[in-house]
Amino acid sequence: EDKVVQSPLSLVVHEGDTVTLNCSYEVTNFRSLLWYKQEKKAPTFLFMLTSSGIEKKSGRLSSILDKKEPFSILNITATQTGDSAVYLCAVQNSGGSNYKLTFGKGTLLTVNP
Amino acid sequence: GAGVSQSPRYKVAKRGQDVALRCDPISGHVSLFWYQQALGQGPEFLTYFQNEAQLDKSGLPSDRFFAERPEGSVSTLKIQRTQQEDSAVYLCASSFNFRQGNQPQHFGDGTRLSIL
Repeated sequence: EDKVVQSPLSLVVHEGDTVTLNCSYEVTNFRSLLWYKQEKKAPTFLFMLTSSGIEKKSGRLSSILDKKEPFSILNITATQTGDSAVYLCAVQNSGGSNYKLTFGKGTLLTVNP
Repeated sequence: GAGVSQSPRYKVAKRGQDVALRCDPISGHVSLFWYQQALGQGPEFLTYFQNEAQLDKSGLPSDRFFAERPEGSVSTLKIQRTQQEDSAVYLCASSFNFRQGNQPQHFGDGTRLSIL
């Protein structure tokens, strides 16, 4: 059974800080890893990672995957109060149920002004 | 539409009642998914449709849960004889066609179901 563990479970920082969120996983026949941001509604897609060592970047957010360990990190630089949310990590395998996302519990990030 | 649309946003029902939750996926998306999210947890897979075919319902918690997508577009998740443990947020997601390569799933805002 696929498994995703995120850490920390919660984090409180001040505006302007840089944060690193961690996601480790166990999956048979890895296909992809996805990061989502969830405020009080829909999880919003951030990144999909399939290859080790290639950084994906979008503004102040970036993410990288290490398939050997295996884990992924999500970095947010110069945090703003609008970054406050739950960040979810999910994996897909390439087996028979390769459409299914297996999620971690998420990291609750609170950015204080 | 521009995104995945779910209705109602909130539903309160008494234990034992039947409920129906609606999902309108992004226009043209072939693949549709339902997830259940308990408080403080990540979403958990319930079922998956490719067009109108329900190809996996292994995540449905019991035979009280039933999902359909008769015309390959809008989907309905029905829960019969609701129990308190059914209280959760029910999320719907769609993707263009997962069989055509790696594509992200795009989620709706969910329906928050509370069973009294």
